[in-house]
Amino acid sequence: RKEVEQDPGPFNVPEGATVAFNCTYSNSASQSFFWYRQDCRKEPKLLMSVYSSGNEDGRFTAQLNRASQYISLLIRDSKLSDSATYLCVVNQGGKLIFGQGTELSVKP
Amino acid sequence: SAVISQKPSRDICQRGTSLTIQCQVDSQVTMMFWYRQQPGQSLTLIATANQGSEATYESGFVIDKFPISRPNLTFSTLTVSNMSPEDSSIYLCSVATGTGNQPQHFGDGTRLSIL
Repeated sequence: RKEVEQDPGPFNVPEGATVAFNCTYSNSASQSFFWYRQDCRKEPKLLMSVYSSGNEDGRFTAQLNRASQYISLLIRDSKLSDSATYLCVVNQGGKLIFGQGTELSVKP
Repeated sequence: SAVISQKPSRDICQRGTSLTIQCQVDSQVTMMFWYRQQPGQSLTLIATANQGSEATYESGFVIDKFPISRPNLTFSTLTVSNMSPEDSSIYLCSVATGTGNQPQHFGDGTRLSIL
């Protein structure tokens, strides 16, 4: 079993749609959690940290359920510019463990 | 956040040769790391670059193949030694300004192709 597992995608959605990504992690001792975004042939960029209380940044909402070892990312009102690969990332002892990524394609 | 510069941005190399990749940060950082992203794959941690001491390598990566230096708090190098086509990847450095639970920020990567 992979340490961090994500929906494989790709997700193809129209502009304005709401899309949700799911992620599970296997190590219950994981300490912190993030969503990164990676555009084609670019480096990953931090999208947001994920907290148990849930956190929101504009159209993006992230949620963590430690009991279920589950992380989610919700994108509302999708834009063309949201097209990218979204990486679920777990911090274990200062080391980042990456999921395989979920590709999102937003179409006009 | 810190500005992270990697050199070279890309290279095409002959098998059996070695290439050194540089990572320069515009401010002092606590932690520096090196990752590999093979085609169609996600990122895998190669090692943590420790300032003034030997790097800490992850399972499957060894110092002879991937020697790393970190002479100060703003600079690190990764060498890919005796390259083979299987080493064709993107190599990325990342930094964290704190320890433990902080997110990391990435340089723009070095795209390496081995013929």
